[in-house]
Amino acid sequence: GQQVMQIPQYQHVQEGEDFTTYCNSSTTLSNIQWYKQRPGGHPVFLIQLVKSGEVKKQKRLTFQFGEAKKNSSLHITATQTTDVGTYFCAGSDSGGYQKVTFGIGTKLQVIP
Amino acid sequence: EAQVTQNPRYLITVTGKKLTVTCSQNMNHEYMSWYRQDPGLGLRQIYYSMNVEVTDKGDVPEGYKVSRKEKRNFPLILESPSPNQTSLYFCASSSGQGGTEAFFGQGTRLTVV
Repeated sequence: GQQVMQIPQYQHVQEGEDFTTYCNSSTTLSNIQWYKQRPGGHPVFLIQLVKSGEVKKQKRLTFQFGEAKKNSSLHITATQTTDVGTYFCAGSDSGGYQKVTFGIGTKLQVIP
Repeated sequence: EAQVTQNPRYLITVTGKKLTVTCSQNMNHEYMSWYRQDPGLGLRQIYYSMNVEVTDKGDVPEGYKVSRKEKRNFPLILESPSPNQTSLYFCASSSGQGGTEAFFGQGTRLTVV
């Protein structure tokens, strides 16, 4: 079945440093979504990427979808303490929200 | 307010005692699903439903049942819970059809002793 690998599993950064998490799928994805889960909270949707090579930005966050639609990345510029949490990618291998596979998540700690 | 509501938030039960975790959404979403979250394993999909009376297995369906009799409700049933089902459970809903943003409930922390 479809597998989505996500690295790193943990990342500690000094406030102001950049952070990147990567996802790789064993199969070509229809789309990929990114979620953030604050400690003790539930996953909250950040963005969805659909097109090959797509790049989207949300303030300090940059999301990329690979040309082959098998990998994706989330990059945060100049981290802040409010960025603390676990970031998940989630891939669908067919159109619409059907069977979805989440990556294991990257837990980000920001040291003030 | 658009939301997904799960109940209960916390539950401690004994092995073999049937339980149901309810999930309800008020966004008229067609798609709903259940996940369990375990340390080091991330979120794993248990079951999903693309519409009323349409359900399908996710990656870890063993030991669970679901039903979708109404669009807004998607209960998760554990007929005979076992300690390995101790986990944090999330229900999610989505409009699908390209609008695949998933809205998650607050989570249900289940302990089976």
